[in-house]
Amino acid sequence: QVHLVESGGGVVQPGGSLRLSCAASGITLSTNGMHWVRQAPGRGLEWVAFFRDSGGNKYYADSVKGRFTIAKDSSKNTLYLQMSSLRSEDTAVYYCGITNYDFWSCYEWGQGTLVTVSS
Amino acid sequence: QSALTQPPSASGSPGQSVTISCTGTSSDVGDYNYVSWYQLHPGKGPKLMIYEVTKRPSGVPDRFSGSKSGNTASLTVSGLQADDEADYYCSSYAGSNNLVFGGGTKLTVL
Repeated sequence: QVHLVESGGGVVQPGGSLRLSCAASGITLSTNGMHWVRQAPGRGLEWVAFFRDSGGNKYYADSVKGRFTIAKDSSKNTLYLQMSSLRSEDTAVYYCGITNYDFWSCYEWGQGTLVTVSS
Repeated sequence: QSALTQPPSASGSPGQSVTISCTGTSSDVGDYNYVSWYQLHPGKGPKLMIYEVTKRPSGVPDRFSGSKSGNTASLTVSGLQADDEADYYCSSYAGSNNLVFGGGTKLTVL
């Protein structure tokens, strides 16, 4: 059974950096696409980034482009989200998800990790 | 990319059916059959209920069904049960490797 576990969240000052991890078990991350999605307090889900395939194609929401970087380490079976120049509006629970049926639906998600950007 | 439009709330009594709408544009919902629906309980990760407009993942009850007409997709939950009470979100591929979500609908089982 596929299991995803996010980690790395915490409190960071505006302008700071943080790296989130999403460790996968029960599956070898190879051709599956993977997404990061976030939910700010009291708000809805917002797509953040997408690691498409083994070719390393990566895509970002306009709100994080140039500040966030998605990456995958196949040797560790882990997806990452490197976040820099953090803003208060980046405060959210961040979820990682993995695709299977198509690249645009995630059939398994982690429980999320909370990022709080505050001075 | 603008969020898809969902009603903030929906409700029904046990055993009844309820339909949640998700309105986008001709650039997302109307142009692609990559509409998904997720169930979100507090403190848990999203659960995929419907993908590619109408398809159900293994393990999702057939009480959940999806459809689409033009720029509007819909999720119908029939035979409402207490544990269906949750937040529901739609998402759609929006072209150029972008994904857009709806604002979410809180489903209450009366």
